[in-house]
Amino acid sequence: QVQLQQSGPGLVKPSQTLSLTCAISGDSVSSNSAAWNWIRQSPSRGLEWLGRTYYRSKWYNHYAVSVKSRITINPDTSKNQFSLHLNSVTPEDTAVYYCARDRGEYDILTGYYGLAYYFDYWGQGTLVSVSS
Amino acid sequence: QSALTQPPSVSGSPGQSVTISCTGTSSDVGSYNRVSWYQQPPGTAPKLMIYEVSNRPSGVPDRFSGSKSGNTASLTISGLRAEDEADYYCSSYTSSSTLVFGGGTKLTVL
Repeated sequence: QVQLQQSGPGLVKPSQTLSLTCAISGDSVSSNSAAWNWIRQSPSRGLEWLGRTYYRSKWYNHYAVSVKSRITINPDTSKNQFSLHLNSVTPEDTAVYYCARDRGEYDILTGYYGLAYYFDYWGQGTLVSVSS
Repeated sequence: QSALTQPPSVSGSPGQSVTISCTGTSSDVGSYNRVSWYQQPPGTAPKLMIYEVSNRPSGVPDRFSGSKSGNTASLTISGLRAEDEADYYCSSYTSSSTLVFGGGTKLTVL
């Protein structure tokens, strides 16, 4: 059974960096099939996919256009976890942040796992408020 | 990318069926069978209920079913139960190689 356990501060000051960690159990951040995502939810923006990291012989990162200039997602293989860093935050970044697994989809033509584009396991969520 | 369009709320009595629609465009729902549905009771994380338009993950009751016609996907819940009361969200892959979610629908079991 896969479990995702989030940690990180619930309050960040404007212009600073929001940092959260998602610890994985029951799977590996270095999995050749899964991808590891961050998603946020706010009343004003609804559910918003932010980005992903995944390993397919090398590491890949994809980010949403809306946050691309401010976001970094890093895997940590030594601790089997991945992190979100969102810099220059404003009150508009106030949201519940979730980590989630995309389990991947086997491509019979290539023999590799691509992305499934749905999320079968989620972290518990972290409410992050951006306020001075 | 604009959010997918869902009705803000739907309701039904126990035992009845309800359908939640999710309308996108030819750049997302209409072109890809990568539509998923999530159930979110208050204060909890979303739970995957349907993936790839109509597939149910293990453990999801067969009272939940999904379909798609053109640019609109639908989630149908039959034999409505009190425990089904929650917010429901759809999601779709897009031609920009990203994901877009719907605005959510609040299901009330009367």
